[in-house]
Amino acid sequence: KAGVTQTPRYLIKTRGQQVTLSCSPISGHRSVSWYQQTPGQGLQFLFEYFSETQRNKGNFPGRFSGRQFSNSRSEMNVSTLELGDSALYLCASSQMGQGETGELFFGEGSRLTVL
Amino acid sequence: AQSVTQLDSQVPVFEEAPVELRCNYSSSVSVYLFWYVQYPNQGLQLLLKYLSGSTLVKGINGFEAEFNKSQTSFHLRKPSVHISDTAEYFCALYNFNKFYFGSGTKLNVKP
Repeated sequence: KAGVTQTPRYLIKTRGQQVTLSCSPISGHRSVSWYQQTPGQGLQFLFEYFSETQRNKGNFPGRFSGRQFSNSRSEMNVSTLELGDSALYLCASSQMGQGETGELFFGEGSRLTVL
Repeated sequence: AQSVTQLDSQVPVFEEAPVELRCNYSSSVSVYLFWYVQYPNQGLQLLLKYLSGSTLVKGINGFEAEFNKSQTSFHLRKPSVHISDTAEYFCALYNFNKFYFGSGTKLNVKP
């Protein structure tokens, strides 16, 4: 079974630009979550999508958005990039439904550098 | 409110020595608990999980953890570490369809 695939793995942008990151979950997984990881803040939850609906959201500004498609693939977008957005963005998929225990399976991440 | 506290940000240890990485959690309801490991430039992978039943949970790579409800702890242990165990370890709590991660503990195994 293929794992969680994130593209691109590395990217460099400049301040003010926008970026779109993609995540393909494990086949059959309906939940996709996004996390931002930085040395100073650790792992911070961005949002979770389940069956194309945003089910949970972290405390990030509106510049961070996401969506999920009918095939469970997900994208996240960051607009008007700031230097502080430089981070490793991790996607995780799960079979999580209501009341399930939901083990997360992580991709290798997309490392974004903002100059 | 749910939260996870990893008491040590870094743990240095010599190869073949035992190690314990500490994790405490706060929750008003029953929880599921996990330990994840992250090797450099990689995503996180599951080491072990506690859902219910026996409080001693065994995971991959010789790791184990003990769930202690009275002390609200879920410490990770390994009796003899290897250089390849050098990584960052995250404790996590799950309930109500959300995960809460600790800040991570960097395990540095020295030869």
